[in-house]
Amino acid sequence: QVQLQQSGAELAKPGSSVKISCKASGYTFTSYYISWIKQTTGQGLEYIGYINTGSGGTNYNEKFKGKATLTVDKSSSTAFMQLSSLTPDDSAVYYCARGPLDYFDYWGQGVMVTVSS
Amino acid sequence: DIVLTQSPVLAVSLGQRATISCRASQSVSISSINLMHWYQQKPGQQPKLLIYRASNLASGIPARFSGSGSGTDFTLTIDPVQADDIAAYYCQQSRESPDTFGAGTKLELK
Repeated sequence: QVQLQQSGAELAKPGSSVKISCKASGYTFTSYYISWIKQTTGQGLEYIGYINTGSGGTNYNEKFKGKATLTVDKSSSTAFMQLSSLTPDDSAVYYCARGPLDYFDYWGQGVMVTVSS
Repeated sequence: DIVLTQSPVLAVSLGQRATISCRASQSVSISSINLMHWYQQKPGQQPKLLIYRASNLASGIPARFSGSGSGTDFTLTIDPVQADDIAAYYCQQSRESPDTFGAGTKLELK
C-alpha cells in the first residue's frame, strides 16, 4: 500500500535550518510528484510547492521561495524539504503528499517543527 | 491567489444529512472539469482525500460522501452522518497556481 513516512519532530533555534524527509513506498516513486504543505492554526493549510521526483525539477509557491528548498534522492525513494532562516512563523506541521494530480491522494503523517530560542 | 471560503462550524445530528459548502473567489472550472477537491482531517491525523474534481469519490471512501458544484460554488454532502465523520473538512482548488485551501469546516454534533 502507498505510504509516505516522514521524519520526526524538530526543535530549532531562530536563524537556523532544518531538513525533513518523506520516504515513499508502495508505488513507483518517480511516477508521481511530491508536494509539501504547511499547516498552522492561524493560516490553515498552505501549499509550499512540489518536486518532480523523476527530473528533480521544482515549483514553489512565491510565498515560500527562499524559505523552502525541495530535493529528492531517487535511490532511496525519499523527498526532502529544507527550511532556512527559521523564525517563529515557521513553526507548523509540515506534510508531504503525493501529487499534485490536481489533488493530493496520499499524505505523510506530518512533522511538527517548533522554532524557539 | 484564489480564496476559498468555508463556514467555520456545522452542527449536525447523527443520521442526518450534512452539507458543507465552499465558495471560490473566481471560477475553478475549465470547460467541464471542476478543479475542486475535498479532504477530511481528524485531530492529530493527516488530511485524507475524500472527493476529487468536485464529484469523484476517492478510493475506499464510503458512498455516504458525495460532492457537487461547478464554477465558484461547491458542496460536500455526508448522508447519513455517522459518529466517525466528526472531523474538519477542507476544500482545495487546483485551477490556478498556487493551489489554495479553504480554512476548513468543523463538523460537530448537535
